Amino acid sequence: AQSVTQLDSHVSVSEGTPVLLRCNYSSSYSPSLFWYVQHPNKGLQLLLKYTSAATLVKGINGFEAEFKKSETSFHLTKPSAHMSDAAEYFCVVSEWKAAGNKLTFGGGTRVLVKP
Amino acid sequence: KAGVTQTPRYLIKTRGQQVTLSCSPISGHRSVSWYQQTPGQGLQFLFEYFSETQRNKGNFPGRFSGRQFSNSRSEMNVSTLELGDSALYLCASSLGETVLGSDTQYFGPGTRLTVL
Repeated sequence: AQSVTQLDSHVSVSEGTPVLLRCNYSSSYSPSLFWYVQHPNKGLQLLLKYTSAATLVKGINGFEAEFKKSETSFHLTKPSAHMSDAAEYFCVVSEWKAAGNKLTFGGGTRVLVKP
Repeated sequence: KAGVTQTPRYLIKTRGQQVTLSCSPISGHRSVSWYQQTPGQGLQFLFEYFSETQRNKGNFPGRFSGRQFSNSRSEMNVSTLELGDSALYLCASSLGETVLGSDTQYFGPGTRLTVL
């Protein structure tokens, strides 16, 4: 069975400072890992995905994440936060098997950006 | 290319009624998945359809059902609505056939269901 733990339910940063969102996963197979962002009253937008290629993954809007198998982690970072980054972020694991596609979501991290 | 569309965007129903939600996937995508999002339970997987067949199912009661049509559009139905069914229902589409689980799901804006 797969599971995802986002270690912080809320993160508060000042505009222009780095953002770190922490995610640990558990998976029986080689997983695919994703980060999605959800702005208020909106659907989920894909930020980036890891699929067993490079361990450092670059996404949209300056975000990147590093896959560390030994630590079963997939933390999301951005060097400089912008006001528009205020949203909820979800770490997601996918185990695709012959039976099809199923995503398991972390509990989410709500990011507040202070001016 | 147009994204995933969901209709209606907002819905208000009363307990005991039934509801049907609709999802149109991205052109060329054959897999449609449904998720329920609530403040208490977060995002939970309901089911996945691929080529008109339910391929995967989450842990929801039989009141929740779905189907997929030959054009890949999907509908989700909830019968005998309960207050706890109030949620944002998200649909996601993907190609549906990949190697090593790299199929990427693209989400629609959701349908906000309120049960009174």
